Amino acid sequence: DSGVTQTPKHLITATGQRVTLRCSPRSGDLSVYWYQQSLDQGLQFLIQYYNGEERAKGNILERFSAQQFPDLHSELNLSSLELGDSALYFCASSPGSQFSYEQYFGPGTRLTVT
Amino acid sequence: ELKVEQNPLFLSMQEGKNYTIYCNYSTTSDRLYWYRQDPGKSLESLFVLLSNGAVKQEGRLMASLDTKARLSTLHITAAVHDLSATYFCAVDSGGATNKLIFGTGTLLAVQP
Repeated sequence: DSGVTQTPKHLITATGQRVTLRCSPRSGDLSVYWYQQSLDQGLQFLIQYYNGEERAKGNILERFSAQQFPDLHSELNLSSLELGDSALYFCASSPGSQFSYEQYFGPGTRLTVT
Repeated sequence: ELKVEQNPLFLSMQEGKNYTIYCNYSTTSDRLYWYRQDPGKSLESLFVLLSNGAVKQEGRLMASLDTKARLSTLHITAAVHDLSATYFCAVDSGGATNKLIFGTGTLLAVQP
């Protein structure tokens, strides 16, 4: 158990809908990362937040957005869902300092768009 | 842009045999990670390699890093069925973000 929690574990929804994935980082970790794992794209970085501020963006679609709240939990919002958005979404957290950087991955949320 | 190539994509091995998975990356990085993923599960951290010449071993797995060649290897010794999983290398992009760039993964199937 990494200490990172994600909810829900599974999500099935229809095209065009909007969903919110939630991540609670390990206690004390300031940095949260979101990754998407799909069969065609592999594992790719989406976005990073550090202490409430966006720090880096990767291959994140405009239909997707994220935020990190004052209690450091993060949410990934996916809207106007398409079949191709079906994937496993991982959240990872790290302390975020120069000397403490290893990322710990949550169990993931499996999203199925029908 | 940092790119990470991993090969082979699929590896079928017999128990007791040795093999190596290769991970090449395109630009300088301070840190390289190896992860294991079982089907439908999360990523389990295996090794963190921080410097040129670093070698780490855990059980039947040994990882090494050559930063000059931008190459890491994951060596499997005397494979057993329990090692069947997908293995990923990931390179830390560095800077202020430390986002990870993943290889394509190697699906390892160890046959009895």
